Amino acid sequence: GENVEQHPSTLSVQEGDSAVIKCTYSDSASNYFPWYKQELGKRPQLIIDIRSNVGEKKDQRIAVTLNKTAKHFSLHITETQPEDSAVYFCAATLDTGRRALTFGSGTRLQVQP
Amino acid sequence: SAVISQKPSRDICQRGTSLTIQCQVDSQVTMMFWYRQQPGQSLTLIATANQGSEATYESGFVIDKFPISRPNLTFSTLTVSNMSPEDSSIYLCSVGQGPGNTIYFGEGSWLTVV
Repeated sequence: GENVEQHPSTLSVQEGDSAVIKCTYSDSASNYFPWYKQELGKRPQLIIDIRSNVGEKKDQRIAVTLNKTAKHFSLHITETQPEDSAVYFCAATLDTGRRALTFGSGTRLQVQP
Repeated sequence: SAVISQKPSRDICQRGTSLTIQCQVDSQVTMMFWYRQQPGQSLTLIATANQGSEATYESGFVIDKFPISRPNLTFSTLTVSNMSPEDSSIYLCSVGQGPGNTIYFGEGSWLTVV
């Protein structure tokens, strides 16, 4: 089955700096890679996703890059704000419509004002 | 995105009892999944809830402990049986929806076993 590793486990940045979270996956067949943000006491919320037919996707201050050859993908947050503080999870799956996501271990991001 | 309602949202349960969590979706979905999130941990898949047939369980999870029903394409239940303090977790229902089968989560059921 799929195995997803995520680093770092904790990340502290100053407001306005950039934050990068990295994930690697094991199953070369995986083709769908979403990122979720989970604030304290709340459900995971999808913030961005990428499929294997593209190498990069951006949405305002958030971007995700994918390197299929190396089997790794990264989340980039620019101009961080205190409200970006949360736990971020990467995930991977083979998007057949019938496969569940395998999640990374999570990164606790703290943005210092 | 789908509106996913879970009940109960939070409960304190006695050791040895069982609790059934309900998941209701506002539209028909093919795929429904149940995840567990232990305190401070990541999400672990318990099972895939299959409509009209037995759920598919992941390694480490068994039907006797976590029976699941999926009577139709909008509803599922997860029962946590014979609870122990180790079962204290958030239990999350999730569904796949949309052209890319994007996965969305319910609000979660926060269970504390005492």
